[in-house]
Amino acid sequence: AQTVTQSQPEMSVQEAETVTLSCTYDTSESDYYLFWYKQPPSRQMILVIRQEAYKQQNATENRFSVNFQKAAKSFSLKISDSQLGDAAMYFCAYRSGYNAGNNRKLIWGLGTSLAVNP
Amino acid sequence: GAGVSQSPRYKVAKRGQDVALRCDPISGHVSLFWYQQALGQGPEFLTYFQNEAQLDKSGLPSDRFFAERPEGSVSTLKIQRTQQEDSAVYLCASSLEGDGPSFRNQPQHFGDGTRLSIL
Repeated sequence: AQTVTQSQPEMSVQEAETVTLSCTYDTSESDYYLFWYKQPPSRQMILVIRQEAYKQQNATENRFSVNFQKAAKSFSLKISDSQLGDAAMYFCAYRSGYNAGNNRKLIWGLGTSLAVNP
Repeated sequence: GAGVSQSPRYKVAKRGQDVALRCDPISGHVSLFWYQQALGQGPEFLTYFQNEAQLDKSGLPSDRFFAERPEGSVSTLKIQRTQQEDSAVYLCASSLEGDGPSFRNQPQHFGDGTRLSIL
């Protein structure tokens, strides 16, 4: 079975600085997808960034980028120029590839609570 | 456009009561997922629908949990004879993803969740 581990329960960053959130995963599959979601206190889970395992190039979305190390099964999230609105719970999630049939579920880590200090 | 809508936002029930939680997915979204998120934890998968077909219910914790999506749109998660350990936030997500190759790996869009408290 696949597992996702986030080893940092809490992180903090100064406004305008850069922070990196860690995520490792375990799988025997070769085809899969990885995601970072953000959950503010309002509870709505918001997709931040996603990565297809077959792509070597790291995904980037504005101030958010990932460092995807497939051999090491590591998928860290870097937030540049942190803003107060980035404060939230961040979850790393795994999904099996398309050939997994009806196995479409997301498998989640425990999350990292990010505080942004003004 | 409108996002995923869940109701009620909060539900308090006494132990032993039955509850029903509703999810209105984004219009046209084929796939619908239910997750359970305990306090301080990441979400845990409960069940998955593609249109009206429940294709994966491997995450339902017991036979007290039942989900349906009879017309392939709105879904209801029902919990019978609630117990204290059922207290959690129940998240619903929908996506465009179906079986066609054009819709692979479509992201899941989440609602605000229903916070269920069992007294």
